[in-house]
Amino acid sequence: EAQVTQNPRYLITVTGKKLTVTCSQNMNHEYMSWYRQDPGLGLRQIYYSMNVEVTDKGDVPEGYKVSRKEKRNFPLILESPSPNQTSLYFCASSLDFNQPQHFGDGTRLSIL
Amino acid sequence: GQQLNQSPQSMFIQEGEDVSMNCTSSSIFNTWLWYKQDPGEGPVLLIALYKAGELTSNGRLTAQFGITRKDSFLNISASIPSDVGIYFCAGRNQTGANNLFFGTGTRLTVIP
Repeated sequence: EAQVTQNPRYLITVTGKKLTVTCSQNMNHEYMSWYRQDPGLGLRQIYYSMNVEVTDKGDVPEGYKVSRKEKRNFPLILESPSPNQTSLYFCASSLDFNQPQHFGDGTRLSIL
Repeated sequence: GQQLNQSPQSMFIQEGEDVSMNCTSSSIFNTWLWYKQDPGEGPVLLIALYKAGELTSNGRLTAQFGITRKDSFLNISASIPSDVGIYFCAGRNQTGANNLFFGTGTRLTVIP
């Protein structure tokens, strides 16, 4: 089944403790991206990747890192999480940047 | 980042009624997308629009790409309880081709 898989689905952690949210897609998609969803603000793009080893900042990249070492995986890294990064995070992928994106089921992060 | 204004923010309707929602931007877009998000899940693509004036249907859903290229509309006919959810518009503009910007969502409640 074609899908975008995120892990973990839920995480409660403390300020400053590095964490990684993994994202994997099995559709051989070139384009992958990360979004955060906050009440009243919709989805905002954090980082995107056009292809392996090519990443770029989206609308709200501060406090986040990504890597794209292989086509199927696009992890989101929070080196020193802070409470304002408490949010619902979505990974998405598409064949290329011009095609509609398929979304994962989300990761709810709470930073205390 | 680019702001998309989506209205209404929420709607309460009786089962069987038709629904209309719209999305406007301050700049020209060359792609409009409509997504639906169910609780605990990621957004799922409903309709994609690529040309000004384009009118596209997906079952009871119809979406239009406004001729000014600054707006889009989604209509749902004869609503049913499973239409409940949050509907998001998303657009890609000419300059930021690699970014997808989302509206703030319309929360639809269907009363049986």
